Amino acid sequence: EVQLLESGGNLVQPGGSLRLSCAASGFTFSIYNMTWVRQAPRKGLEWVSGITGRGENLDYTDSVKGRFTISRDNSKNSLYLQMNSLRAEDTAVYYCARDWNGLDYWGPGTPVTVSS
Amino acid sequence: DIQMTQSPPSLSASVGDRVTITCRASQGISIWLAWYQQKPEKAPKSLIYAATSLQSGVPSRFSGSISGTDFTLTISNLQPEDFATYFCQQYNSFPRTFGQGTKLEIK
Repeated sequence: EVQLLESGGNLVQPGGSLRLSCAASGFTFSIYNMTWVRQAPRKGLEWVSGITGRGENLDYTDSVKGRFTISRDNSKNSLYLQMNSLRAEDTAVYYCARDWNGLDYWGPGTPVTVSS
Repeated sequence: DIQMTQSPPSLSASVGDRVTITCRASQGISIWLAWYQQKPEKAPKSLIYAATSLQSGVPSRFSGSISGTDFTLTISNLQPEDFATYFCQQYNSFPRTFGQGTKLEIK
């Protein structure tokens, strides 16, 4: 059974940093592209970043370029999102998802709140 | 970036009804469109990929169609568990983009 579980969400002050993790199981992690999607309170879904299976190609939405870094450790079946220079508008639930036939599996999400 | 315009923003219907939700892409995305269902406080669930293909385990009352850059999600014979918010997403190019969502409510 495919499972994704995010962790690392927290309350952080503006300008601070957080590192989100996503633990994957139930599939061959290294052959799948992976994605981070976020959802601000009472808002829609926003694609944040994606990474290919071997980590050779990375993409970001414009609003996080230069501040967020996506990475993966295939030996640990884990996906990461390093978030720096956080802003109030980064407040959201962050989901990791497997990028296959759209986004076929999603984790339950981890909440990030940026506030002083 | 490709813009996805989803309509309507909300929809009221009754159990047993047939409803349609539409997404229009600002440029060509071939068939690379997915539909998701999201219930309150839950992660989205994938329903349809490649515009018309049903994900495994999704009931056959859900269907997708395509006409040029217009994509439609149809739910036939609405069931109580179908009342939720629906999103489309293009995955033809980066950045991937979502529609604004359609909230389907019970009439």
